[in-house]
Amino acid sequence: EAGVTQFPSHSVIEKGQTVTLRCDPISGHDNLYWYRRVMGKEIKFLLHFVKESKQDESGMPNNRFLAERTGGTYSTLKVQPAELEDSGVYFCASSPNSHNEQFFGPGTRLTVL
Amino acid sequence: AQSVTQPDIHITVSEGASLELRCNYSYGATPYLFWYVQSPGQGLQLLLKYFSGDTLVQGIKGFEAEFKRSQSSFNLRKPSVHWSDAAEYFCAVVSGGYNKLIFGAGTRLAVHP
Repeated sequence: EAGVTQFPSHSVIEKGQTVTLRCDPISGHDNLYWYRRVMGKEIKFLLHFVKESKQDESGMPNNRFLAERTGGTYSTLKVQPAELEDSGVYFCASSPNSHNEQFFGPGTRLTVL
Repeated sequence: AQSVTQPDIHITVSEGASLELRCNYSYGATPYLFWYVQSPGQGLQLLLKYFSGDTLVQGIKGFEAEFKRSQSSFNLRKPSVHWSDAAEYFCAVVSGGYNKLIFGAGTRLAVHP
């Protein structure tokens, strides 16, 4: 069974540009989570989808971040426009239901110059 | 608010030595606790979890953790460390009803031959 995949693995962009990160969860997993780790600090929750609906987006830092999960399969996280403080590693995780283990992807390392 | 503290940022041990990684949590109710490991270039992998019952939890790769409510701790242990255990370790607690994870800052483990 394929695990959670994320694309790209690395992205380097300039301040003000737009970047879109993609996450493909494990097939059949209704729950999809985004987290990020900035500057070696704690991994912090961004938001949670149940199928295509946003269940909890309390961790989204501001309106420059937009997450979607059309059709309840893969998800995208767009940052527009990117700022220097957005640099970090963005993790995606999925689980079959909200009370199970979350399976994490390898992360996307975003660098904003 | 819920929080997780991992007091040790870096730990170095010799191969074959015992290991204990500390984790303290702040949570009002009975916590659901996790330890994850991240090896270089990999995603977060679940080592073990505590939901209820026996306070000594066995995990993968020979790791165990003990939940101590009186100390608000969930320390990770391994009796004999292998060079392949060099990685970053994260303690986490579930927050809320939908499995949002609150992570500690992580402990980076180095293993000397």
